[in-house]
Amino acid sequence: SQQGEEDPQALSIQEGENATMNCSYKTSINNLQWYRQNSGRGLVHLILIRSNEREKHSGRLRVTLDTSKKSSSLLITASRAADTASYFCATDANTGTASKLTFGTGTRLQVTL
Amino acid sequence: NAGVMQNPRHLVRRRGQEARLRCSPMKGHSHVYWYRQLPEEGLKFMVYLQKENIIDESGMPKERFSAEFPKEGPSILRIQQVVRGDSAAYFCASSPPGGFGYGYTFGSGTRLTVV
Repeated sequence: SQQGEEDPQALSIQEGENATMNCSYKTSINNLQWYRQNSGRGLVHLILIRSNEREKHSGRLRVTLDTSKKSSSLLITASRAADTASYFCATDANTGTASKLTFGTGTRLQVTL
Repeated sequence: NAGVMQNPRHLVRRRGQEARLRCSPMKGHSHVYWYRQLPEEGLKFMVYLQKENIIDESGMPKERFSAEFPKEGPSILRIQQVVRGDSAAYFCASSPPGGFGYGYTFGSGTRLTVV
């Protein structure tokens, strides 16, 4: 089953507004990460939050993690046109010797002027 | 530090040919991961390698796909006898020793088109 489902699938806002994206997952995790992908490009790591953390900030980004609800949110404040991209959450279950990320299907964010 | 380097950026193959995708991890990173992304979808894990060792290949199709990370040189993802369904973007990521617990650095990907 798919771990890491983002909501909404697509989001369109105006520059200056805040954008909130949510991610739900199914299994226990060690950390959850958010990535950005511009169209036709690779993924850029934005922020990592560990399972024992509840909130983390990085510039205009704020990530929360609720392990009891198995959910996370990414807030981008004061959005800019350059924030237009797809955003993916990814969970790291760390099942022992192996480590791999399980990605959601992403939220496509469009920021208009 | 040049980051994770993947080549080629774009690869076109006819059905039945072989595709070889290369990935050089970041300097100091000894863990390599390959992911596949179909259009409009998230990334799907394929394989996790350390030098000369396949750690987890649970996401690799059983046939035609193989991966290696030799002692010297880049990691190679090899797809034999490609079919149209193999058309996708293939991304490589690397992480430092210890692997987990860090954000992964991704390459720009190889976009494979099978015609």
